Amino acid sequence: DVKVTQSSRYLVKRTGEKVFLECVQDMDHENMFWYRQDPGLGLRLIYFSYDVKMKEKGDIPEGYSVSREKKERFSLILESASTNQTSMYLCASSRTWGRGLAGGGSYNEQFFGPGTRLTVL
Amino acid sequence: SQQGEEDPQALSIQEGENATMNCSYKTSINNLQWYRQNSGRGLVHLILIRSNEREKHSGRLRVTLDTSKKSSSLLITASRAADTASYFCATDSSYKLIFGSGTRLLVRP
Repeated sequence: DVKVTQSSRYLVKRTGEKVFLECVQDMDHENMFWYRQDPGLGLRLIYFSYDVKMKEKGDIPEGYSVSREKKERFSLILESASTNQTSMYLCASSRTWGRGLAGGGSYNEQFFGPGTRLTVL
Repeated sequence: SQQGEEDPQALSIQEGENATMNCSYKTSINNLQWYRQNSGRGLVHLILIRSNEREKHSGRLRVTLDTSKKSSSLLITASRAADTASYFCATDSSYKLIFGSGTRLLVRP
């Protein structure tokens, strides 16, 4: 059973703390993504990575950084947490774009973790 | 702004009825996907339709795509209480997906 796991379901931190959110996938996917989800705004892409040690900014990278030292692990870092970073954080992974599953399956289907609900006080 | 916009934002139906959700987008796409999210959980992929396809079925799900109108619809037939969730469309024009803000579906027993 394929799986994307995230280190915490719920996290409470204080303003100014450094926060690490970890994501691990066991599907040997090249691509990994970090989103945040807020009511009425849907999912917004923070950062993504298409290979080890590679990263690309998404739509809202400010206040965040990422690390991908191993293919299966993608970390999101809040250098100095602020209250406006209170949100649900979702990690996802996918195969390399254009490379579908055997038998003509999905292009770019993303597999999501269960999410981390972060509260910054 | 979001590439995909779902309509309606919320939908409440009786068990056994059909549920239809719509998605509009702005730019050309390679494919369009639908995802489901149960409350407080991650998203689960439901179905993908390619830009050269017009209709696709998967179990009780039926998806249509009209590229001339830049719109898609998701139909869930014979709904069940377990279908209660938020449903998102996502468009793919590169190696990123762009999600809409979702339709919240409530299926009353």
